[in-house]
Amino acid sequence: SQTIHQWPATLVQPVGSPLSLECTVEGTSNPNLYWYRQAAGRGLQLLFYSVGIGQISSEVPQNLSASRPQDRQFILSSKKLLLSDSGFYLCAWSGGAIGQPQHFGDGTRLSIL
Amino acid sequence: GENVEQHPSTLSVQEGDSAVIKCTYSDSASNYFPWYKQELGKRPQLIIDIRSNVGEKKDQRIAVTLNKTAKHFSLHITETQPEDSAVYFCAASKGFQKLVFGTGTRLLVSP
Repeated sequence: SQTIHQWPATLVQPVGSPLSLECTVEGTSNPNLYWYRQAAGRGLQLLFYSVGIGQISSEVPQNLSASRPQDRQFILSSKKLLLSDSGFYLCAWSGGAIGQPQHFGDGTRLSIL
Repeated sequence: GENVEQHPSTLSVQEGDSAVIKCTYSDSASNYFPWYKQELGKRPQLIIDIRSNVGEKKDQRIAVTLNKTAKHFSLHITETQPEDSAVYFCAASKGFQKLVFGTGTRLLVSP
């Protein structure tokens, strides 16, 4: 069966520091991969999605970036974090066929001080 | 592009009552509609989904109905229990395109 791993579970970072969050998927190949951010008590904001290695679509202009160096690895990065980057970051995957659900990882709770 | 609106934003019911959450979508070509449940501090989890060739789908106490003409779909939870308390998200997609999520409904079931 397919599983999705996301780490770390929690992270506290100072303003201006770099960020790297990693997500990996097991048990499937050629997944579509997604990064979402969720502010406290709010909805799901799609940040990036990828349909293949090296293919990244950005949904929201910001100081974050994403990379997909391997088929089942998706990385969210920042060179300098802002206070507004605090939130709950969720990675998700879906199959590449028509009408597929997304399956979410356990998320990373990021606090910027 | 697709736009999904979800109502109500909050819903309070007594244990045992039914709860209904409604979503409307803008793109008539959308053909896949999942529902997710997110408990506090946890990840969203798929609870039920429906495709455009089906009008209704049930799974125990939950059901989803789809009205393609009106472009809306609804989640129905019967005999609600306190453990149903969570935030529920609807979503829609068409073809190979990514899901577009609603803004969420916070359901509170009081004992």
